Amino acid sequence: EPEVTQTPSHQVTQMGQEVILRCVPISNHLYFYWYRQILGQKVEFLVSFYNNEISEKSEIFDDQFSVERPDGSNFTLKIRSTKLEDSAMYFCASSEDSQETQYFGPGTRLLVL
Amino acid sequence: AQTVTQSQPEMSVQEAETVTLSCTYDTSENNYYLFWYKQPPSRQMILVIRQEAYKQQNATENRFSVNFQKAAKSFSLKISDSQLGDTAMYFCALPGETSGSRLTFGEGTQLTVNP
Repeated sequence: EPEVTQTPSHQVTQMGQEVILRCVPISNHLYFYWYRQILGQKVEFLVSFYNNEISEKSEIFDDQFSVERPDGSNFTLKIRSTKLEDSAMYFCASSEDSQETQYFGPGTRLLVL
Repeated sequence: AQTVTQSQPEMSVQEAETVTLSCTYDTSENNYYLFWYKQPPSRQMILVIRQEAYKQQNATENRFSVNFQKAAKSFSLKISDSQLGDTAMYFCALPGETSGSRLTFGEGTQLTVNP
């Protein structure tokens, strides 16, 4: 059964460093998403992406964040200058169509020191 | 703005018994989906079940079923014959009102199945 994959599973970085989180969505899906979950809290939406452009972003998704689909399979989230409060689990998700079921990857656990 | 509310932060149930997790929501849409996701200790988000609002019949997936009451904007999850592997955080979720939009999640209910 096709699934969303994410790399790395864990990332530790120093405050101020740049990180890139990678995702491979399900191959026939057209909509891609990033969410984050701070430990003990609910899942929060960051951004959605369709047809090579951002379709929606939340107030969390400020100028330090960017997304890209560099080729036909990968979907990346870049955090330019990490802060302590960026420590969280980051989930990638994809869906076949808008409003359809979003399937989540296993997440990347980011720790900013 | 859309809201999703789960009023039970924690619940427990004995193995083999039935438990119901509640969720209420608010949306101005008429046709929409609703989802329950499960997050075990591994923290992966796993789809449990989905309901289409235009369908009157409640969705069922093996031991999992929903009680969907559209007028009351209520979407509860019933787990029958609970198993130890059902121990997880359960999130109710509602898609946004625009194309390709966000899922809004509830606060979650931590379910513990006791042997």
